[in-house]
Amino acid sequence: NAGVIQTPRHKVTGKGQEATLWCEPISGHSAVFWYRQTIVQGLEFLTYFRNQAPIDDSGMPKERFSAQMPNQSHSTLKIQSTQPQDSAVYLCASSFRQSNERLFFGHGTKLSVL
Amino acid sequence: QQKVQQSPESLIVPEGGMASLNCTSSDRNVDYFWWYRQHSGKSPKMLMSIFSNGEKEEGRFTVHLNKASLHTSLHIRDSQPSDSALYLCAANNITGNTGKLIFGLGTTLQVQP
Repeated sequence: NAGVIQTPRHKVTGKGQEATLWCEPISGHSAVFWYRQTIVQGLEFLTYFRNQAPIDDSGMPKERFSAQMPNQSHSTLKIQSTQPQDSAVYLCASSFRQSNERLFFGHGTKLSVL
Repeated sequence: QQKVQQSPESLIVPEGGMASLNCTSSDRNVDYFWWYRQHSGKSPKMLMSIFSNGEKEEGRFTVHLNKASLHTSLHIRDSQPSDSALYLCAANNITGNTGKLIFGLGTTLQVQP
């Protein structure tokens, strides 16, 4: 079991460019979460899917952020027109099925917007 | 304002000492609490979870929960330098089948040899 896989590990973009982050959840896990971590804001919830359906995107900045889960083996987080304040570590996590199951986090993608 | 508040922000304990970390939720809908540990440069990993009043012990780690006050605490006895990490408290609503965890800002623990 390779765990949750996130690619790329590091991404540098210029202000105004687009960034796409990828996540492969643990096989058999039905829930996929996206979080963003910074020193100031901590670990912030962005969005999550269950059985590929979007359940809650209340943490997503609506204008430029979007997330999809086209199949059970991967999810993407897309940030359009990136801004310096988007710089953070973006963490993907998956859990087996129920709400009382632990989250398994990937290593994260460190996004730096210059 | 953070819905999950942790204290202290940072804590230094000597090797072999006891570390006590606190966490309170301001969201009365939560009914499940989690403690995750994140070593520097690594991703968070679940340590313990609790949903019943009282305490739960696993090795050197003990978690307490007071559901009336929505307060949980994590106690680490015989602290080791390898326990130095960021400790994150999180909460969610299991009864409402709400999977998303809301995390606090964390407590940075440093165990000095």
